[in-house]
Amino acid sequence: DQQVKQNSPSLSVQEGRISILNCDYTNSMFDYFLWYKKYPAEGPTFLISISSIKDKNEDGRFTVFLNKSAKHLSLHIVPSQPGDSAVYFCAASDRGSTLGRLYFGRGTQLTVWP
Amino acid sequence: KAGVTQTPRYLIKTRGQQVTLSCSPISGHRSVSWYQQTPGQGLQFLFEYFSETQRNKGNFPGRFSGRQFSNSRSEMNVSTLELGDSALYLCASSLDDRPYNEQFFGPGTRLTVL
Repeated sequence: DQQVKQNSPSLSVQEGRISILNCDYTNSMFDYFLWYKKYPAEGPTFLISISSIKDKNEDGRFTVFLNKSAKHLSLHIVPSQPGDSAVYFCAASDRGSTLGRLYFGRGTQLTVWP
Repeated sequence: KAGVTQTPRYLIKTRGQQVTLSCSPISGHRSVSWYQQTPGQGLQFLFEYFSETQRNKGNFPGRFSGRQFSNSRSEMNVSTLELGDSALYLCASSLDDRPYNEQFFGPGTRLTVL
């Protein structure tokens, strides 16, 4: 049972434009959410996170929005750059009961073209 | 500070054999988690160790096992390999068991079962 879902396997965006990656979750106990970026032949790299007490977190070009009522979060990248081309994974955690376990979505391949 | 290291990086085995994968966390990190990544399933949680104790286990058969040593290094073992065990095995470390610790991933071990 996939508790974290990324329904778009791929996204193609022109350089300089905004990239919006979406993620939905089903477990209302999740209280911490993360985005990871993964290049081929490398492990996932932590990008940005947000706890359930917030609805927005910003770090440079990356902003994560959390809508708890809709059980939805999104990652905005502005402006998009060719180096952002990678697979992006959304992950969630219920720190109260699952400790270090992260539940991952299946990833979205982002391609930023010049 | 050195990142998470995993050895070996690539491994080819045949069905029925067993395999041991190794993970060295970031210096000072005491928590280690293991994930299996396959194209169809994304990242699936295997288990998590903290201070040599397994705190959490995912939905994998008993052929998958692991342990953590006093220096926080971890190993995972897969016995009686099956073709479906072919995957990228990722290890992640985090500082301790406090909430909201990001997990840092190693490059993974690519296991191919023939």
